[in-house]
Amino acid sequence: GNSVTQMEGPVTLSEEAFLTINCTYTATGYPSLFWYVQYPGEGLQLLLKATKADDKGSNKGFEATYRKETTSFHLEKGSVQVSDSAVYFCALGGSQGNLIFGKGTKLSVKP
Amino acid sequence: NAGVTQTPKFQVLKTGQSMTLQCAQDMNHEYMSWYRQDPGMGLRLIHYSVGAGITDQGEVPNGYNVSRSTTEDFPLRLLSAAPSQTSVYFCASRPGGGRSTDTQYFGPGTRLTVL
Repeated sequence: GNSVTQMEGPVTLSEEAFLTINCTYTATGYPSLFWYVQYPGEGLQLLLKATKADDKGSNKGFEATYRKETTSFHLEKGSVQVSDSAVYFCALGGSQGNLIFGKGTKLSVKP
Repeated sequence: NAGVTQTPKFQVLKTGQSMTLQCAQDMNHEYMSWYRQDPGMGLRLIHYSVGAGITDQGEVPNGYNVSRSTTEDFPLRLLSAAPSQTSVYFCASRPGGGRSTDTQYFGPGTRLTVL
């Protein structure tokens, strides 16, 4: 069945460091791909999405490109801030209209 | 718009008790769903609804019931709580009945502990 694998955390970075969180997927067809972010004590918010191959989603300095050939959707940011500390979830659109999530990657950014 | 609201925020139950987790949205979304979030597991789908009067099971439906009598509300019922149902529960909604490209909007969650 469809599934998402993302890198295990936690990830700890210094402010202004480069961020990459790896995400790969297994799916039939070409589902939409998403990154959601969960700040402490809150629900999930959409960070960015891509609906077809080679699409690049971007928001708040974060980017991810839908790579069909490598079945990947890696999240990147050139310069992280303390306020980016959160848990990041990679997800794909499921056949039930739902989201199929990876296990999440906790990011901590130190000043 | 209030978006997706959930009550209560926290709840402690004893094994065997029943309760209802409330979820409401004011965005006129057709699709609503319930997830549970467990450490190291991501979020897993419990039940979902593509419109009023229509519900279906997700990945982990056992021990839970849902109904959708209105577009706005989608309550989740625990029939007889068990310690394995200790989790954080999220309700989500999105426009569109079947398409999975739309943004899903999540509520703030209910943290449930079953003793």
